[in-house]
Amino acid sequence: QKEVEQDPGPLSVPEGAIVSLNCTYSNSAFQYFMWYRQYSRKGPELLMYTYSSGNKEDGRFTAQVDKSSKYISLFIRDSQPSDSATYLCAMSDGSGYSTLTFGKGTMLLVSP
Amino acid sequence: NAGVTQTPKFQVLKTGQSMTLQCAQDMNHNSMYWYRQDPGMGLRLIYYSASEGTTDKGEVPNGYNVSRLNKREFSLRLESAAPSQTSVYFCASSEIRSGNTIYFGEGSWLTVV
Repeated sequence: QKEVEQDPGPLSVPEGAIVSLNCTYSNSAFQYFMWYRQYSRKGPELLMYTYSSGNKEDGRFTAQVDKSSKYISLFIRDSQPSDSATYLCAMSDGSGYSTLTFGKGTMLLVSP
Repeated sequence: NAGVTQTPKFQVLKTGQSMTLQCAQDMNHNSMYWYRQDPGMGLRLIYYSASEGTTDKGEVPNGYNVSRLNKREFSLRLESAAPSQTSVYFCASSEIRSGNTIYFGEGSWLTVV
């Protein structure tokens, strides 16, 4: 079983739709959860950062963590064509110099 | 602030040639990383430097060497390039703190023929 699983997509939605992107993980020690957005031919950029369980909202974006189910989600409301990108989840147990464990990314396409 | 800057952005190498990818960050971060990203494989850590003066192997270190030149700069060297090293390379940096949020550069596209 891979440590972090993420559906590669592509996920195609019309403009204005609510988008749900998800990751599952196996390591119960993970406490820090991040979502990165990567546009084509660009580096990943940090989108959302969450510690432990719960929800975090930033504009049209909501990150949700359910540690009991080892499941994290990113919701995008009123999706826009500019949201078309690959979304990578990442997580860490936060111990010392531990590095992030990334999902492989989900490609999202929002059509006008 | 430029953030994380990588050079070159594009490079074509012949098999067996050597080259160095340069990376500099201006965020005063202690930790720096080199990743490669391949289709279907996601981001894979090559080497990292937790702090100035230290380097450690990541998931895929074979064929690469690194140098942490100072707090700002972290270079990646391919001594004898192979076609399997054709990839996009990302440098990144982070502070030493719980959570280790990582900030990435724009990438270097390397083709080995």
